[in-house]
Amino acid sequence: NAGVTQTPKFQVLKTGQSMTLQCAQDMNHEYMSWYRQDPGMGLRLIHYSVGAGITDQGEVPNGYNVSRSTTEDFPLRLLSAAPSQTSVYFCASSYSGQPSYTFGSGTRLTVV
Amino acid sequence: QRVTQPEKLLSVFKGAPVELKCNYSYSGSPELFWYVQYSRQRLQLLLRHISRESIKGFTADLNKGETSFHLKKPFAQEEDSAMYYCALRGSARQLTFGSGTQLTVLP
Repeated sequence: NAGVTQTPKFQVLKTGQSMTLQCAQDMNHEYMSWYRQDPGMGLRLIHYSVGAGITDQGEVPNGYNVSRSTTEDFPLRLLSAAPSQTSVYFCASSYSGQPSYTFGSGTRLTVV
Repeated sequence: QRVTQPEKLLSVFKGAPVELKCNYSYSGSPELFWYVQYSRQRLQLLLRHISRESIKGFTADLNKGETSFHLKKPFAQEEDSAMYYCALRGSARQLTFGSGTQLTVLP
């Protein structure tokens, strides 16, 4: 049981490049979400999904796209990377009726 | 909905009591949680107000009158050093996190 797996662990991008951060869970959780963690700002919700085929925006969605074609996967796409997107990104999942989230180990992204 | 953790950094000596403050604003009945992130580890749930449990010696009581959910431990240990996040879940599924408090327990 791998839990929530995020890849890559580290990434450096140039301004304007695009990339996809991967998130996969093997717990059959309906709910998945993406957060970014910045010093002094805590974790802020980017996008979330309550099930396959359903996604919605969180607090800071601009510059990011998501899709949920399967229950297991919830990739986060950066369309045109900007230095302001330098952050640590966390994916989390849970059952609909479960109060707590399971987090991935994070992806540290630097945009230069 | 909003979660406020007023202390970015908190240092205490080993064996001293520790209290990490958390205040929230929400119009309904929220669920409150404390998450912890130890160095080089992923974020994990520490405790939630519904269960009224004590985990690793930590407790937290929901005070609806003061809209607070402070985390307390009577005798801090060095292994308690970590980043602590207070989080709120309202009627929607998503968690709203505070900005976090970095706790350092000094020997």
